[in-house]
Amino acid sequence: EDQVTQSPEALRLQEGESSSLNCSYTVSGLRGLFWYRQDPGKGPEFLFTLYSAGEEKEKERLKATLTKKESFLHITAPKPEDSATYLCAVLPDKLIFGTGTRLQVFP
Amino acid sequence: NAGVTQTPKFQVLKTGQSMTLQCAQDMNHEYMSWYRQDPGMGLRLIHYSVGAGITDQGEVPNGYNVSRSTTEDFPLRLLSAAPSQTSVYFCASSYSVLGRSSGANVLTFGAGSRLTVL
Repeated sequence: EDQVTQSPEALRLQEGESSSLNCSYTVSGLRGLFWYRQDPGKGPEFLFTLYSAGEEKEKERLKATLTKKESFLHITAPKPEDSATYLCAVLPDKLIFGTGTRLQVFP
Repeated sequence: NAGVTQTPKFQVLKTGQSMTLQCAQDMNHEYMSWYRQDPGMGLRLIHYSVGAGITDQGEVPNGYNVSRSTTEDFPLRLLSAAPSQTSVYFCASSYSVLGRSSGANVLTFGAGSRLTVL
């Protein structure tokens, strides 16, 4: 059965304290892995797409990486405005979303 | 561009009532879909459409109907609301069918509709 698991469920960081969010997956044929950011009361907003193991994408303080079993979203020197829920999704034939990691960054 | 517009933003229903959640996109996207988001669970696909006149069921379709008479609009109908349908509903679109090409896999989401069924 295709599934995706995100960890941790919640993460509290001090401003400037770098960390990583994990997305582990089991799918029968990965056609893409996606990261979205969701702010409270809003819809998810697209961040990155990764297609093959070893691929990396960067945007400001965020860097996404992909292996054959998991993806990491690295956050370097986070700021309070990075506080949000980060969703991972995998695409075998239809998108399967994880439950997300709620990130809080304190000044 | 407005992107994906959902209405209403909030709605309270009584058990057994029916209603329609509206979704419109102005990006000429081919693919449209409805998700529900519940605490502790990932976004779950309810119904989707790959073009005008074509709809299909997702993971949790029971109790919901959809239609796609135009490219722009994809309403979600609750036939007889139940407390289990209390959730936040998101409409999302993409310019092409997911998986068809790399660029087609990015979903644009609406702001969501929060539904409470008493």
